[in-house]
Amino acid sequence: GEDVEQSLFLSVREGDSSVINCTYTDSSSTYLYWYKQEPGAGLQLLTYIFSNMDMKQDQRLTVLLNKKDKHLSLRIADTQTGDSAIYFCAESPYSSASKIIFGSGTRLSIRP
Amino acid sequence: ETGVTQSPTHLIKTRGQQVTLRCSSQSGHNTVSWYQQALGQGPQFIFQYYREEENGRGNFPPRFSGLQFPNYSSELNVNALELDDSALYLCASSFIGGTYNEQFFGPGTRLTVL
Repeated sequence: GEDVEQSLFLSVREGDSSVINCTYTDSSSTYLYWYKQEPGAGLQLLTYIFSNMDMKQDQRLTVLLNKKDKHLSLRIADTQTGDSAIYFCAESPYSSASKIIFGSGTRLSIRP
Repeated sequence: ETGVTQSPTHLIKTRGQQVTLRCSSQSGHNTVSWYQQALGQGPQFIFQYYREEENGRGNFPPRFSGLQFPNYSSELNVNALELDDSALYLCASSFIGGTYNEQFFGPGTRLTVL
């Protein structure tokens, strides 16, 4: 089946690292994504990782993929107030490359 | 380069009515996908159009239909509206043949069904 699960909320102190976790079910997924959604805005692709990779780093963002456990994580270093948003984990199943399957989103809030 | 645009921004309809939502793809893109995002949920795939033909469909009834035009703009039509159709409708454009299926999302149309 196709399902993506992630925790609903995360609160971190400004300047700390944020780690958002996700599990997915479709082992054939070719690409896995992290999207960001700010209030009143559409979805912004933050980063993606191909299924044959273990890690990808892009400035403050680090994505880790554990394909055996079907676990994906997004680490945001030095979290800032502008990082407050909802973060969606998503997968692109090999069986249906046209669609992207999204999780329910993790709301990240930043404490001063 | 213009991004993905959607119209209208907000819409209020009553149960049983029909609605048409519009989307303009990003320049150079040949594919448009539509998603429904209910409050507090992630987007759910409705369908995708490529070269004016449906190219994949999610678990939505036939009263959800679409069109893609030669200029790659698109419409989402929903007939016989139900209360549960109240949601944010997102359009995303992409280029089939690209490297990682990146879909660029518009800001969405918020539909309220009373």
